[in-house]
Amino acid sequence: DAGVTQSPTHLIKTRGQHVTLRCSPISGHKSVSWYQQVLGQGPQFIFQYYEKEERGRGNFPDRFSARQFPNYSSELNVNALLLGDSALYLCASTYSPNTEAFFGQGTRLTVV
Amino acid sequence: DQQVKQNSPSLSVQEGRISILNCDYTNSMFDYFLWYKKYPAEGPTFLISISSIKDKNEDGRFTVFLNKSAKHLSLHIVPSQPGDSAVYFCAASFINFGNEKLTFGTGTRLTIIP
Repeated sequence: DAGVTQSPTHLIKTRGQHVTLRCSPISGHKSVSWYQQVLGQGPQFIFQYYEKEERGRGNFPDRFSARQFPNYSSELNVNALLLGDSALYLCASTYSPNTEAFFGQGTRLTVV
Repeated sequence: DQQVKQNSPSLSVQEGRISILNCDYTNSMFDYFLWYKKYPAEGPTFLISISSIKDKNEDGRFTVFLNKSAKHLSLHIVPSQPGDSAVYFCAASFINFGNEKLTFGTGTRLTIIP
């Protein structure tokens, strides 16, 4: 069975640009959460989506947005990129709140 | 505002000995705690969890202890094996949110010395 898949694995963007990161959850999982992990820190919660609805949002500016599609895959969008947005972006999917969260391998974003 | 703290960035332990990783939290409303393990170039992998109604949970070589009054939890690995070398993250949540909105610590890099 495929795990959580994220694309792309790496990308480099210039300050001010826009980026879209993609996540496909494990089959049957309807909840997707996004995290940002800056070097030397733990993952920080950005968004959680369930059945295409936003269920939670962390302390991130409005430049960050996300959505979930009918097939439960998800996109994370970041506008007007800043150098500080350079990080590993992780996606996690769960079948239900009380079951294990499975993480993808992440997308490494570098903003130059 | 770091609500979950892991004050030891690194820890080295001899193979076969006990590894003890520590974690402190400041938000007394947290009632569900987890440990994740992360290898390079991989996402975090769930290890073990504990709810605030318990003070201990065991799963094979891994045991998590929770001291609510001290807002402290620890992960014990016995015996430590070379494959345990990884970064370990402590995470906290609320039981209603379960595994979906986690607050992570900064991580402890564990190195098992053969």
